[in-house]
Amino acid sequence: DGGITQSPKYLFRKEGQNVTLSCEQNLNHDAMYWYRQDPGQGLRLIYYSQIVNDFQKGDIAEGYSVSREKKESFPLTVTSAQKNPTAFYLCASSMDTQRGAFFGQGTRLTVV
Amino acid sequence: KNEVEQSPQNLTAQEGEFITINCSYSVGISALHWLQQHPGGGIVSLFMLSSGKKKHGRLIATINIQEKHSSLHITASHPRDSAVYICAAGGSQGNLIFGKGTKLSVKP
Repeated sequence: DGGITQSPKYLFRKEGQNVTLSCEQNLNHDAMYWYRQDPGQGLRLIYYSQIVNDFQKGDIAEGYSVSREKKESFPLTVTSAQKNPTAFYLCASSMDTQRGAFFGQGTRLTVV
Repeated sequence: KNEVEQSPQNLTAQEGEFITINCSYSVGISALHWLQQHPGGGIVSLFMLSSGKKKHGRLIATINIQEKHSSLHITASHPRDSAVYICAAGGSQGNLIFGKGTKLSVKP
């Protein structure tokens, strides 16, 4: 079945460590997105990529990095520079702006 | 002021009731999305619309482009409809600007 897979579902890390969240899709979608969700707030855009080897910063890119070496994969690294990394992270993809987005199941990151 | 505003924030209904969730947006959009998020966190896309009305089962979504307003209706609500419903404005780059969500609880 086609879809988006995020792994792991739950992730714990010590403060000061970088951590990479995985997002893989087999929908042949060109565009992929990373969002962050905090309690009581709407999801906010971290980074997005509309094509392989290209990506753009979203509204809250500081402290994060991404890569898009393959169409299917868009990993997000939460670096030690991110001041409040504990959050729920959601990956999405879409074929284009005229079609709906598909979402992964999310990764809940807790930094202790 | 948020670019996408939803109301109400929380909604409790009895099974069988007709439910309406409202969404107003202040940005230009390519489309308006309604999403459903269950307690585990996963999000499912319910509707994407740029005009008029769409229906899927007991769910109906409408949009008024001139007034920049959309509504999600649930007819004959059921406890399994309990979830957070999120309105999102689709930007020109395909990214979404999300509302804060409406937490719906349907009691049996």
